[in-house]
Amino acid sequence: AQSVTQPDIHITVSEGASLELRCNYSYGATPYLFWYVQSPGQGLQLLLKYFSGDTLVQGIKGFEAEFKRSQSSFNLRKPSVHWSDAAEYFCAVGLFSGGYNKLIFGAGTRLAVHP
Amino acid sequence: NAGVTQTPKFQVLKTGQSMTLQCAQDMNHNSMYWYRQDPGMGLRLIYYSASEGTTDKGEVPNGYNVSRLNKREFSLRLESAAPSQTSVYFCASSDPVQGGNQPQHFGDGTRLSIL
Repeated sequence: AQSVTQPDIHITVSEGASLELRCNYSYGATPYLFWYVQSPGQGLQLLLKYFSGDTLVQGIKGFEAEFKRSQSSFNLRKPSVHWSDAAEYFCAVGLFSGGYNKLIFGAGTRLAVHP
Repeated sequence: NAGVTQTPKFQVLKTGQSMTLQCAQDMNHNSMYWYRQDPGMGLRLIYYSASEGTTDKGEVPNGYNVSRLNKREFSLRLESAAPSQTSVYFCASSDPVQGGNQPQHFGDGTRLSIL
């Protein structure tokens, strides 16, 4: 069965430090991969997506993610974190199943940023 | 740009009461979805509507019903609310292109508490 694992429930970094959020997936075919961000009290906003081609994808707000097929991973990175990046981040696998576009989400990683 | 609009944003119910959560999108998307979000569990699909006139069960449909009123609107109904349905509910929409590579666009959520 398809699944998404985000090993880190909570991460705390200092403002200006680099960030890497981990995501591992289980899926038999080439996956469509997404990262979403959820600020407190808000809905989910798409950060970036990977469909095919270049394995390093750029997103909004200075985020990037790298697809590594051999490791079944799609880790999210940012070189220098800003206080406004404090939020919850969700990795998701997209697939077409049962007649609709389905998203399978990880449990999320909550990011705290220290000044 | 409104995107996906959910009403109400907050609601408190007593056990046994009924309620309908409303969702509307203005992006001309064919597919719409209802999720619930609980701590540590990511988002779980309750019901979806692949296109106008069709609805189907997702991962956690028990205790809920849906209506796809037209292409724009997709409502979620709790007929007899239970404390286990205390959650944050998100509506989403997407293009119906097959392949799983279409991101979903989310509303800001309805925070529902059942006493």
